[in-house]
Amino acid sequence: DQQVKQNSPSLSVQEGRISILNCDYTNSMFDYFLWYKKYPAEGPTFLISISSIKDKNEDGRFTVFLNKSAKHLSLHIVPSQPGDSAVYFCAAPRDSGYALNFGKGTSLLVTP
Amino acid sequence: EADIYQTPRYLVIGTGKKITLECSQTMGHDKMYWYQQDPGMELHLIHYSYGVNSTEKGDLSSESTVSRIRTEHFPLTLESARPSHTSQYLCAVSLNTEAFFGQGTRLTVV
Repeated sequence: DQQVKQNSPSLSVQEGRISILNCDYTNSMFDYFLWYKKYPAEGPTFLISISSIKDKNEDGRFTVFLNKSAKHLSLHIVPSQPGDSAVYFCAAPRDSGYALNFGKGTSLLVTP
Repeated sequence: EADIYQTPRYLVIGTGKKITLECSQTMGHDKMYWYQQDPGMELHLIHYSYGVNSTEKGDLSSESTVSRIRTEHFPLTLESARPSHTSQYLCAVSLNTEAFFGQGTRLTVV
C-alpha cells in the first residue's frame, strides 16, 4: 500500500512561470516531509523539507506548503528555469527508523 | 552532508554472472540504505543497515544480499544476475531524517 502518492506523472511549464508539484499521503503519523530532485541516471538530491509543525517552508525559489487536514503537500518553484527539468520525488520517513517512503515522482519539463 | 560513492556507474553483464555493487561513504554515518528504482516508479527500499554487522531486508523482495563489515562500506551482491535485476540501484546515507544519495548504478543484465 503506497503511503505517499504523486498522481501527476508529468508537468510542463514555461520558463519564468510557476511550477506546482503535488503530493498526497495517507499516514497521519508522518511528521516530516522531503522533496528530492532526480536527473536521469543520477541519484536523487535533497531539495527542501518541512516539519509537520509548520505549514510552509521557503528556500530561495522553492517553497513547500503542507496542509495536514487534507494530507497534502505541494512544492512551488518560482520562477521556473530550464535547469529545473527533472523528476521530483516526495518522501516521508517511515514509522520506525529513517528509511523513506517515496512517491512515484513527477517529471517536470520547463520549456524556454 | 555525506559524501557517497557508488561504483560502477553503469554495468552491462550477462545472465548468471555474480556482481557486487560498491557503496562507500566518508562521513561515518551509521544508517545506510539500498533502494531500487525503475523509470516512472517510486524508490523501493531493498536493504538497510543501522551500523556495523547490522543488515535488514527492506520492503521489496530482492535476491541480492548486503554486508556491513565497516561503517563506511555497504556493498550489494547478486550471486546470479538475471534480466529481471535490470534496474537502477541507489545507495543512501542518513544521520537523521534527510537521506543523501550516491549517483547510483545503472545495471543491465542481458
